[in-house]
Amino acid sequence: DAKTTQPPSMDCAEGRAANLPCNHSTISGNEYVYWYRQIHSQGPQYIIHGLKNNETNEMASLIITEDRKSSTLILPHATLRDTAVYYCIADPYSSASKIIFGSGTRLSIRP
Amino acid sequence: NAGVTQTPKFRVLKTGQSMTLLCAQDMNHEYMYWYRQDPGMGLRLIHYSVGEGTTAKGEVPDGYNVSRLKKQNFLLGLESAAPSQTSVYFCASSQLMSQPRGTQYFGPGTRLLVL
Repeated sequence: DAKTTQPPSMDCAEGRAANLPCNHSTISGNEYVYWYRQIHSQGPQYIIHGLKNNETNEMASLIITEDRKSSTLILPHATLRDTAVYYCIADPYSSASKIIFGSGTRLSIRP
Repeated sequence: NAGVTQTPKFRVLKTGQSMTLLCAQDMNHEYMYWYRQDPGMGLRLIHYSVGEGTTAKGEVPDGYNVSRLKKQNFLLGLESAAPSQTSVYFCASSQLMSQPRGTQYFGPGTRLLVL
């Protein structure tokens, strides 16, 4: 399973776009990139996932590089409620292998 | 839909005591997971199940046992609690076939303090 690397912390001004990077240089062809976030010790919340193409939903956009070795989660207009720890995960489809969450990025939104 | 629920929400144990944490999901999901999260740390997978009657070890299985007798329930047992098991425990579930497995739905967590 691919290991992901994220910066331990970032901050962003409210109303601006928050861009959270993730490195997954050992990702294999069948591994999806998933993003979750955890707000103040609540259970993690699914945000978005992708395989090769860029993806967008009501919460965020996911940009995956062409070589799939890294990705960026974009929160287009960050609010104070987006303050959380964000986890990037590489997960193989329909496999029973272990899922590694890692330490994530603590995102702080400045008023 | 209640989603994923966990019982109890908070518990204090003395060293050597035993207890069972209950996780229930009403989404008919095949996969279920137990994680622990220590202060300031990410989630670590304890055990998981790929279907009723099956269990498998995760990253940190020692000191824990699990059972999946019914599809909707996943039980985590501590036979002899130790202070090192003080943590927040999260249960999660995911569907096998309708989407990539990694989309997990998490419960609210159980906070366990072992004295």
